[in-house]
Amino acid sequence: AQSVTQLDSQVPVFEEAPVELRCNYSSSVSVYLFWYVQYPNQGLQLLLKYLSGSTLVKGINGFEAEFNKSQTSFHLRKPSVHISDTAEYFCAVSDREDSSYKLIFGSGTRLLVRP
Amino acid sequence: ETGVTQTPRHLVMGMTNKKSLKCEQHLGHNAMYWYKQSAKKPLELMFVYSLEERVENNSVPSRFSPECPNSSHLFLHLHTLQPEDSALYLCASSQEGTDGDTQYFGPGTRLTVL
Repeated sequence: AQSVTQLDSQVPVFEEAPVELRCNYSSSVSVYLFWYVQYPNQGLQLLLKYLSGSTLVKGINGFEAEFNKSQTSFHLRKPSVHISDTAEYFCAVSDREDSSYKLIFGSGTRLLVRP
Repeated sequence: ETGVTQTPRHLVMGMTNKKSLKCEQHLGHNAMYWYKQSAKKPLELMFVYSLEERVENNSVPSRFSPECPNSSHLFLHLHTLQPEDSALYLCASSQEGTDGDTQYFGPGTRLTVL
């Protein structure tokens, strides 16, 4: 069964610094990969997704992620963060061979941007 | 973000109450989901409906009862809940078979059981 690991529970960073949030998944079978962001007291908002094609995916709010099949990773990056990027970020994976509709989520990484 | 709406946004109920959570999607999707998000725990998938039929029930206690009257609406009926059921309940929708089954979420209902 698929699993998703977000190694960092919290990432503190100064405003305008670059950031990388790490995500690894367990299986190398064909997958769809997603990053969601959750602001306080809100639902999950889709940041970006990898379905096929180019391994570098660009999303909203200046975020991008790179799919690395050999390392089973899908790390999220932003070259310069803002205070408003402070939120919880969730990586998720679904198995393209599995028709059970399951989206497997990581435990989340809290990005804390300091002035 | 108005693609998926949830009401109420906040709910406080006693253990003997009966209440319902409502979700509505305006995206023309054919699958809907209920998730539970508790503090310090990963998102838990509770129920999945595809074409208005329940296709997934992840061992959820019977005090939670879902209902999907049509492809745009999803309810979660609650009765005799326990304090440990306090959580954020999230609804999502997707279009099965397209767009990688990308799920779009509502804002959630924050439930507190006293």
